[in-house]
Amino acid sequence: DAMVIQNPRYQVTQFGKPVTLSCSQTLNHNVMYWYQQKSSQAPKLLFHYYDKDFNNEADTPDNFQSRRPNTSFCFLDIRSPGLGDAAMYLCATSIRGELETQYFGPGTRLLVL
Amino acid sequence: AQSVTQLGSHVSVSEGALVLLRCNYSSSVPPYLFWYVQYPNQGLQLLLKYTTGATLVKGINGFEAEFKKSETSFHLTKPSAHMSDAAEYFCAVSQNNLFFGTGTRLTVIP
Repeated sequence: DAMVIQNPRYQVTQFGKPVTLSCSQTLNHNVMYWYQQKSSQAPKLLFHYYDKDFNNEADTPDNFQSRRPNTSFCFLDIRSPGLGDAAMYLCATSIRGELETQYFGPGTRLLVL
Repeated sequence: AQSVTQLGSHVSVSEGALVLLRCNYSSSVPPYLFWYVQYPNQGLQLLLKYTTGATLVKGINGFEAEFKKSETSFHLTKPSAHMSDAAEYFCAVSQNNLFFGTGTRLTVIP
């Protein structure tokens, strides 16, 4: 089945230790998104790629970066995680011509010690 | 600018009772509207969406929602709640990106 896959599902890191979260998709969608969702809050868009074009939200901290080496994969890099970065990170995709509909992965829950 | 308001951060219903989750939106252009469901420690799953056409939209798991332009509402309903419906529900509006409401946690009481 075509899907959005996130690895790992749970990630524990130490304060200040860089961490990378992974997202892959078999939908062949050209747009990929990263959201941060803190406990009991709505998902907050961090950035998205339209094909290879990177679009950063204005209030996304510099601590967060992303890479998209090919259509299928997208990575979220947190350079120096702080305690406030503990959250669920959601990856989503959409396709040209139907950009309004996004398909979400299961998420990676990040714990910062 | 788009925004979404979900009235009631927590809703409890008895099993078999009607589910009604409220969503109001503001949008400067005709909106695309969505309901997503999120089970614990899971991603968001699309329940249903309204883009154009029929204002009563049917989704998965027996849910439906009606777009009412005059009321700027897109309330989610289900005639009979099941225990498996217990989850967090997010209403969202889209123009270029998705703007989510703050969510409503649905509890189903046996």
